[in-house]
Formats: sequence, C-alpha cells, structure tokens
Amino acid sequence: EVQLVESGGGLVQPGRSLRLSCAVSGFTFDDYAMHWVRQAPGKGLEWVSGISWDSGSIDYADSVRGRFTISRDGGKNSLYLQMNSLRPEDTALYYCAKDSGDTLTTKLDYWGQGTLVSVSS
Amino acid sequence: SSELTQDPAVSVALGQTVRITCQGDSLRNNYATWYQQKPGQAPVLVISAKNNRPSGIPDRFSGSSSGNTASLTITAVQAEDEADYYCNSRDSRGYHLLFGGGTRLSVL
Repeated sequence: EVQLVESGGGLVQPGRSLRLSCAVSGFTFDDYAMHWVRQAPGKGLEWVSGISWDSGSIDYADSVRGRFTISRDGGKNSLYLQMNSLRPEDTALYYCAKDSGDTLTTKLDYWGQGTLVSVSS
Repeated sequence: SSELTQDPAVSVALGQTVRITCQGDSLRNNYATWYQQKPGQAPVLVISAKNNRPSGIPDRFSGSSSGNTASLTITAVQAEDEADYYCNSRDSRGYHLLFGGGTRLSVL
C-alpha cells in the first residue's frame, strides 16, 4: 500500500523558516518524481514544487522560487521542502504527492494527508 | 495566458450527466489531468492523459478535450460524486505545472 506521510508543519512568524518532510512507503521512491502542492484555507490547490527521480530536474512556482527548496533522500525514502522567508500568504495545508513517472508530469497519482503551515505574528 | 479557468460551481440532479470544463491556452498542446477532492480529504486522481482512469475510479467518469478546453464528464451522477474537482496541466510555455481554480459540484 502506497503511503505518504507529511510532517513538520506548525505556527511560525513571518520571515522565519520551516522544513517539511514527507516519508513514503509502498513503492520504490527512487523511481518516481515527487511534488509539493498546497491549499490555503478555503481555497484551491496550488502546485508549489517538483523534483525528478534523480533530482536532476527541479521546478518551483513563481510564488515560492528563491525562498523554498525541494530535496529528496533515497536512503530515507523522504521528500523535503525547506521554506525560508515565510509570508502570511504561505499559510496552507501542504500536500506531498507522488508523480506517476520519473520526470515532472501532471499526473499525481498518490497524495498524503497534508501538514498545516500557519504564518502569523 | 498561463491560467487554467474553471467554473466555480456546477449543480446536477442525481442520476443526470454533468460536464465540468477547464479552459486554457496550454490545453491546446497539453492534456489536462483531473482530481476529485471531498471535504477534509486529500485530492484523488480521477482522469489523466485525456481519458485514462486509475483502477478504482468508476467508469461513469470520463475525459475529453477540444481546442483550449478539457472536460470531465460524469454520467449518472451519484450522491458521492459531490466534491470539488480540479484540473491541472502545464503553463502556456509547457513547463510549470498549475491547477485550475476548481469546480464545486453539487448533487441535487
């Protein structure tokens, strides 16, 4: 059974940093690209970032580029999102999602339950 | 434009057919993928690559595309189909991923 479990969310002040983690199981992590997608309270889905199987291809939404860094560790079957210079508009539920392929496609076939990030003073 | 546009809300009577659309320039060259999200739950993939359904998704869900518009059609709508539906694809440059704003489907 494929499982993705996010952690690391919480309440943080504007300008501070937070690191999200996503522990996966039930599939060969090294074979697939991965993504972070967020959803602000009461709002729609927003793609945040994606990373290919070998970390050779990485992409970010314009809204987070330069502030967020995506990475992965095959030895730990984990995906990460380092979030710096956080803003109130970054407040959202952050989902980890598995890509159906090894490069960045639009087909996200498994999702975690999300971890909530709140940015407020 | 790099946006994907969806109607915010659509309603349909139980047992009828509904079409949910997603418009964007990028859809002329890229397929849309469709996701269903029920309240308090993570999104679920329902249609990919124009009209491919993952296992476990009922065959009343289907996808199609024409020009700059992708469509998700649900035939013989059931009460459990009431949810938010999102399309995603790439931006007009064919690179960055993006989601449509979502359509809330109400089943009457």
